[in-house]
Amino acid sequence: QQQVRQSSQSLTVWEGETAILNCSYENSAFDYFPWYQQFPGEGPALLIAIRSVSDKKEDGRFTIFFNKREKNLSLHIKDSQPGDSATYFCAASARGGSALGRLHFGAGTQLIVIP
Amino acid sequence: EAAVTQSPRNKVAVTGGKVTLSCNQTNNHNNMYWYRQDTGHGLRLIHYSYGAGSTEKGDIPDGYKASRPSQENFSLILELATPSQTSVYFCASGYWGSQNTLYFGAGTRLSVL
Repeated sequence: QQQVRQSSQSLTVWEGETAILNCSYENSAFDYFPWYQQFPGEGPALLIAIRSVSDKKEDGRFTIFFNKREKNLSLHIKDSQPGDSATYFCAASARGGSALGRLHFGAGTQLIVIP
Repeated sequence: EAAVTQSPRNKVAVTGGKVTLSCNQTNNHNNMYWYRQDTGHGLRLIHYSYGAGSTEKGDIPDGYKASRPSQENFSLILELATPSQTSVYFCASGYWGSQNTLYFGAGTRLSVL
């Protein structure tokens, strides 16, 4: 049973548009939500993260919007560039616990930015 | 810069054979993880470790063993490889602190024929 769900397996946008990647989760105990970016042939790497005490986190062109009540979040990529074409994983973890805060990953969204 | 190195990068194995995937980290992180990545499933946790000598089962441990002989090294072992284990395998290291960040290796592409 997947605890973190990403609504789209793939998303295609034009260069310059805002790409919106959606994510939802099941476990109310989750309080840390990172997004990982993965380019072909590489391992995933942390892009941006948010804690549940915040509803927005911005880093350059990347913004996370978080809705605790609805248990969903989204990653907005403003002014999308062809170099942003990658797979994006939403993830979640809870504080402590026997699994030492292990991350639960969504299935990923492949973003394609067309020049 | 965090560094996680996996070997081999590519591996072809025969059904029923033994496969060992190796991972080395120079981050001095306590925690290490093995994931497999398949289309439609994302990253699924196979085994993880809190430190040298410890291994724990993840979400899909069947058919896999793990070994953590030292802080730096974490291996994934397929005693009797099957075609269903054809996948891309990622090792990661990390620590549990205010930010639970994982540092991934470049992956091992395994084909079991």
